Amino acid sequence: SAVISQKPSRDICQRGTSLTIQCQVDSQVTMMFWYRQQPGQSLTLIATANQGSEATYESGFVIDKFPISRPNLTFSTLTVSNMSPEDSSIYLCSVTSGSGYEQYFGPGTRLTVT
Amino acid sequence: DQQVKQNSPSLSVQEGRISILNCDYTNSMFDYFLWYKKYPAEGPTFLISISSIKDKNEDGRFTVFLNKSAKHLSLHIVPSQPGDSAVYFCAATGSTLGRLYFGRGTQLTVWP
Repeated sequence: SAVISQKPSRDICQRGTSLTIQCQVDSQVTMMFWYRQQPGQSLTLIATANQGSEATYESGFVIDKFPISRPNLTFSTLTVSNMSPEDSSIYLCSVTSGSGYEQYFGPGTRLTVT
Repeated sequence: DQQVKQNSPSLSVQEGRISILNCDYTNSMFDYFLWYKKYPAEGPTFLISISSIKDKNEDGRFTVFLNKSAKHLSLHIVPSQPGDSAVYFCAATGSTLGRLYFGRGTQLTVWP
C-alpha cells in the first residue's frame, strides 16, 4: 500500500483566512481524492484530482472554496478558502490501490476555525 | 441522502467475545464493499473487503458477510481484543461509480 503524508497535521485558523493542505505520496498514482470528516459525520468526498486535468468536484463543493492543485503524480494540495467555523473538520487525502477499489488514506489534517 | 448506513453509533464488547458491526446500503449499483478502521488522530486504515459475487470473506479474526437481497453486510471480529477499539467505517462502491461512499461509522470499545 502507498505511504501518504499530510501537512500540516493540525491548525487553528481565524475566520476569513485560507489554509493550504499538502498531500505527498511515496509512489506515483493517477487518482487522488480529498475528503472531509465533520465531527460525528462520515467521510464526505470533496473532489477527485487527476494529474494534468482539472479536479472533479462533488455536489456541494466548488472550486472557489476548495481549489485543488495536482502538479505531478505524487503530490496534491487542497486550499480551504475564506474559512468559517463550519469548515472545522478533518481533511484527508487518499489514493487508490493499483489493483482494486481500495483507497489508502493519509493521517489527516485537523482544522479548527475560530 | 445517505446511501450507506451504519445505524449503531457505538458498540461495547468484552475482550474475547465476538464483535458484530452492521451496515446497510440502498444503491443497487454497489458491487464492492469495504471496511475501514480509524484510530484517533490517524487516517482510516483499510481492513477487509468483499465483492458482490461472494457472500463471505475471511481474513484472520475478521470476517465480512454480505446479504445482497437484504442490502446488508456485517463485520465479525472474533475474538475481540482491546486493540480493536476504534471507529469502523463501512464503505461501498461500484464498477461504474468511481468513488467510495462511506457510512457514519461505529465506535467499537473492547473492554478487558
